[in-house]
Amino acid sequence: EIVMTQSPATLSALPGDRATLSCRASQSVSSSLAWYQQKPGQAPRLLIYGASTRATGIPARFSGSGSGTEFTLTISSLQSEDSAVYYCQQYNNWPPLTFGGGTKVEIK
Amino acid sequence: QVQLQESGPGLVKASETLSLICTVSGYSISSGYYWGWIRQSPGKGLEWIGNIHQSGNTHYNTSLKSRVTISLDTSNNHFSLKMSSVTAADTAVYYCARGGRGSQIWFDPWGQGTLVTVSS
Repeated sequence: EIVMTQSPATLSALPGDRATLSCRASQSVSSSLAWYQQKPGQAPRLLIYGASTRATGIPARFSGSGSGTEFTLTISSLQSEDSAVYYCQQYNNWPPLTFGGGTKVEIK
Repeated sequence: QVQLQESGPGLVKASETLSLICTVSGYSISSGYYWGWIRQSPGKGLEWIGNIHQSGNTHYNTSLKSRVTISLDTSNNHFSLKMSSVTAADTAVYYCARGGRGSQIWFDPWGQGTLVTVSS
């Protein structure tokens, strides 16, 4: 089973700041990585797939990069509505499909 | 657009079987894609339960495989989850979602989720 590890657990930043979230896989997942955003009381929403392709309707301030075992989700200029938990998920080697533990983004 | 909606009992007794249905609108589940179930225990992260393909082919998380069955009902355009011998550890919000067409499985869109509580 591929283990996905996200860091930091919590990120606190000001509106307009740049946020960098990390996701590490226990073995290579090539570019088979997705990112999701989950706000309190809501279902997760797909942000990124293929490590760097934005899903339909996702603002350009969200970008993904990386391949192999190291991945990054960048929010270029944080807005208040970006307060959420962000999860990564690998789909290169499954079953099982596996998710990271999440990074909580707080806007100061 | 494609929408998914989970339904089923919100309270299940320990040792009994949890049964949920995911009704899909805006897309025929027999036209392609994998369809999946994911759960989230209170305050915790996401756990993949399993997928079913339009062909009926299924994949399950090995940690749950012995207790889980996912099936398709194309006539009613829904798919279902059955989990037997539940315990308090199965208390979670259960989500259904559409997966990918091939082996590249990311989930989009998701249903709103339904909370299932296992009582003793």
